[in-house]
Amino acid sequence: GNSVTQMEGPVTLSEEAFLTINCTYTATGYPSLFWYVQYPGEGLQLLLKATKADDKGSNKGFEATYRKETTSFHLEKGSVQVSDSAVYFCALRQKTSYDKVIFGPGTSLSVIP
Amino acid sequence: DTAVSQTPKYLVTQMGNDKSIKCEQNLGHDTMYWYKQDSKKFLKIMFSYNNKELIINETVPNRFSPKSPDKAHLNLHINSLELGDSAVYFCASSQDRGRGFTDTQYFGPGTRLTVL
Repeated sequence: GNSVTQMEGPVTLSEEAFLTINCTYTATGYPSLFWYVQYPGEGLQLLLKATKADDKGSNKGFEATYRKETTSFHLEKGSVQVSDSAVYFCALRQKTSYDKVIFGPGTSLSVIP
Repeated sequence: DTAVSQTPKYLVTQMGNDKSIKCEQNLGHDTMYWYKQDSKKFLKIMFSYNNKELIINETVPNRFSPKSPDKAHLNLHINSLELGDSAVYFCASSQDRGRGFTDTQYFGPGTRLTVL
C-alpha cells in the first residue's frame, strides 16, 4: 500500500540555518506530493506541492523536488526563521477519484534565535 | 472570511457521554473529511464525503458517525465517549474534479476533545 516516511524530529535549528527535512514515499504510479505545515494551535495548511516527476514546488522560501528515481520529496529552506517553527507533514495522493491523502508522521521544527 | 470552520474549538466531557462536532466550509468544495490527530501529531483519516455521499470510511469504531446534511457541512457525532477518544479532530475540504485531478485540502482549526 501507499506510505510516506519522514525523518524523525524534533529538529532544532538556529535562525538562518539551512533546513532539510527528508521525505520518501511508496506508491504505485505517479502520485501528487505535498508538504503541509501546522503552526502551533492551528490546522494544517498547504506549503507546496508537485504533481509530476522533476517538478519543483516552492513557497515562502521552501522548496521540494519530486524525485521519481529515489521516490523522495525532501523539503529545504536556505535560511530558517523563528516563525518557521511548526510541524511539517509530507503527503501523497494518487491521481484517482476520491483517493485519500496519505500523510507522513510529521516532523517538528523549532528555530531558536 | 473563515474557509473551514469547526465548533467547538475545545470540548471537555466525561466518559460515556455523547457529543457532536460541527464543520462548515464556504469554499464551494464537493468533498469533506474528518481526521484524528493524536498527541504525537500523527494524522489519521476517519471519513470522507463527496456531495453528501460517504466515500471513505476507515476502520473507525461505529461509535463515530458522520452526518452530511449538505455538501457544505460535515458533522461528527461520537457516542459513549472513551478515554482513547481524546485527540484533536480536524475537518477538511477539497475540490475533487474526478480522475486525473487532485487538489489541495483545506483544514479547519481543529477541535480539541478531552475525555475525563
